[in-house]
Amino acid sequence: GAVVSQHPSWVICKSGTSVKIECRSLDFQATTMFWYRQFPKQSLMLMATSNEGSKATYEQGVEKDKFLINHASLTLSTLTVTSAHPEDSSFYICSARDTPREAFFGQGTRLTVV
Amino acid sequence: RKEVEQDPGPFNVPEGATVAFNCTYSNSASQSFFWYRQDCRKEPKLLMSVYSSGNEDGRFTAQLNRASQYISLLIRDSKLSDSATYLCVVTHGGATNKLIFGTGTLLAVQP
Repeated sequence: GAVVSQHPSWVICKSGTSVKIECRSLDFQATTMFWYRQFPKQSLMLMATSNEGSKATYEQGVEKDKFLINHASLTLSTLTVTSAHPEDSSFYICSARDTPREAFFGQGTRLTVV
Repeated sequence: RKEVEQDPGPFNVPEGATVAFNCTYSNSASQSFFWYRQDCRKEPKLLMSVYSSGNEDGRFTAQLNRASQYISLLIRDSKLSDSATYLCVVTHGGATNKLIFGTGTLLAVQP
């Protein structure tokens, strides 16, 4: 089946620094990818929809200047958490579709801001 | 009110038990429905799609009631390996067809 690879799987960074997370579709082209965030004991919350070659669409309450999304090619989307703070510590997951029905998820990135 | 609601559990059941999970969604325009499974600290993985006619995959049976906006998942003969969080997911369709997740139901199957 289709594979989505996410990197890094975990990262610890200092408060105020920026962190970039990559999401790649390995064997299919994805014009649309999705970025989710999951806090402990909570469900996945959609942050934004990443569109290849155009601006991302952000969900209500998500700061686009803080969570920069770039989808420069059909196989790569990146999420950059800028000026990270401890409250940004979370599990970030990307997903992409190769068919209209099934979405595949990256392995997730556990971000800890200290 | 969340768009997709589930009982968070936990459901603690013995091996071999039958367990049922329920899910309700508020957007009547929702088009597609799924159950995903998420193990601790892992990404969600598709368990099965849900169709109006109901569908079965081995020990798992999913049902959809569009009139009541209600989705269910039945697991028969529970195995220890079924222990996970089960996520009810709906999509609205359209160009992006984004997934909306429920809060998830935690299942713990006991030996």
